[in-house]
Amino acid sequence: EVQLLESGGGLVQPGGSLRLSCAASGFTFSTYAMNWVRQAPGKGLEWVSSISDDGGSTYYADSVKGRFTISRDNSKNTLYLQMNNLRAEDTAVYYCAKPTTVTIRGLFQHWGQGTLVTVSS
Amino acid sequence: DIVMTQSPDSLAVSLGERATINCKSSQSLLYSSNNKNYFAWYQQKPGQPPKLLIYWASTRESGVPDRFSGSGSGTDFTLTISSLQAEDVAVYFCQQYYTTPQTFGPGTKVDIK
Repeated sequence: EVQLLESGGGLVQPGGSLRLSCAASGFTFSTYAMNWVRQAPGKGLEWVSSISDDGGSTYYADSVKGRFTISRDNSKNTLYLQMNNLRAEDTAVYYCAKPTTVTIRGLFQHWGQGTLVTVSS
Repeated sequence: DIVMTQSPDSLAVSLGERATINCKSSQSLLYSSNNKNYFAWYQQKPGQPPKLLIYWASTRESGVPDRFSGSGSGTDFTLTISSLQAEDVAVYFCQQYYTTPQTFGPGTKVDIK
């Protein structure tokens, strides 16, 4: 059974930093691209970032480019999102999402339960 | 970026009746080389992550009841719940995975009348 467990969320002041983690199990982590998707309270879904299976390619939404960094450790089956210079508009539940197949990166079959990031003074 | 729009914003349907949600994309999601629409529907219940319902516009994910069906091609798509059940109360999102950034519609809330 695929499991994705996010952690690292919390309350942070504007301009601060947080590092999110997503521990994956139940599938061969190193063969799948992985994604972060966020959802502001009461709002819709926004794709944030993707990383290729080997970590060699990364992609970002314009809203986070230059501030967020996605990475992975395939030896630990863990996905990360380093978030710097956080803004109030980054407040959201952040989901780790696994695609359906190794070739269709952007179709999200499995989701974690999410971790809440609140940016406020 | 491809913009996804949904209609209506919300709807209330009697138990056992049909619910229909529409989604439109700002450009075609049909990839000519394989004749597939890179389009999906998700269901999200309160306090839960989204759940993939339908992909390739009309393929049901494993375990999804057959009262859920998807149709459409190109830029116009529809999700139909043929006989609404109480457990179908949720917000439904459409999504394109044709190109990065993958984008979602704003969601349609489905309630019981």
